[in-house]
Amino acid sequence: AQKVTQAQTEISVVEKEDVTLDCVYETRDTTYYLFWYKQPPSGELVFLIRRNSFDEQNEISGRYSWNFQKSTSSFNFTITASQVVDSAVYFCALSGNTGGFKTIFGAGTRLFVKA
Amino acid sequence: EPEVTQTPSHQVTQMGQEVILRCVPISNHLYFYWYRQILGQKVEFLVSFYNNEISEKSEIFDDQFSVERPDGSNFTLKIRSTKLEDSAMYFCASKPRGGTYNEQFFGPGTRLTVL
Repeated sequence: AQKVTQAQTEISVVEKEDVTLDCVYETRDTTYYLFWYKQPPSGELVFLIRRNSFDEQNEISGRYSWNFQKSTSSFNFTITASQVVDSAVYFCALSGNTGGFKTIFGAGTRLFVKA
Repeated sequence: EPEVTQTPSHQVTQMGQEVILRCVPISNHLYFYWYRQILGQKVEFLVSFYNNEISEKSEIFDDQFSVERPDGSNFTLKIRSTKLEDSAMYFCASKPRGGTYNEQFFGPGTRLTVL
């Protein structure tokens, strides 16, 4: 069975601080895909980053970066120099090659960025 | 850029009534999904649909729910007799065949309120 765990329920930071959101996943698929989504108060799901299981190279995209480690089944997401507009709920998600390619979401981490 | 659209954005209905939520997936996509998010909770998989049939469904997707792709462009979710606990945001998603990241493209959601 697939599972995504986001242990941090809420995080509060002051603007310009860096913040890391943790994500741990479980899957039996040998090929799988990991995602981070942002959900602002308006409710839509905004795609942020993605990774497949074959590529552990960590990258930086603007203020976003991620740390994918298969050895610990973790896919952590960092926002550098946080801004008030980053305040939202962030979901880590996992999709495999079984089950109709369904996506399994974590419980989400609510991020508050204070000015 | 093509996107998934959903109508209506907000639907209010009385308990026991039937509702149909509509989605227009991206035109060349072959896999279709419905997800549900009860307020304040995580996004949950309901059903996946491929080649005109359900490929997987969750425990939530009981006999009260059905999906249909009636005309090759729309993808609908029907709830036959709504209950209070069906109040949630419903997201439609679609996916092309293959792809490096198996990414699903999510619509903006329909907020269903059952009174």
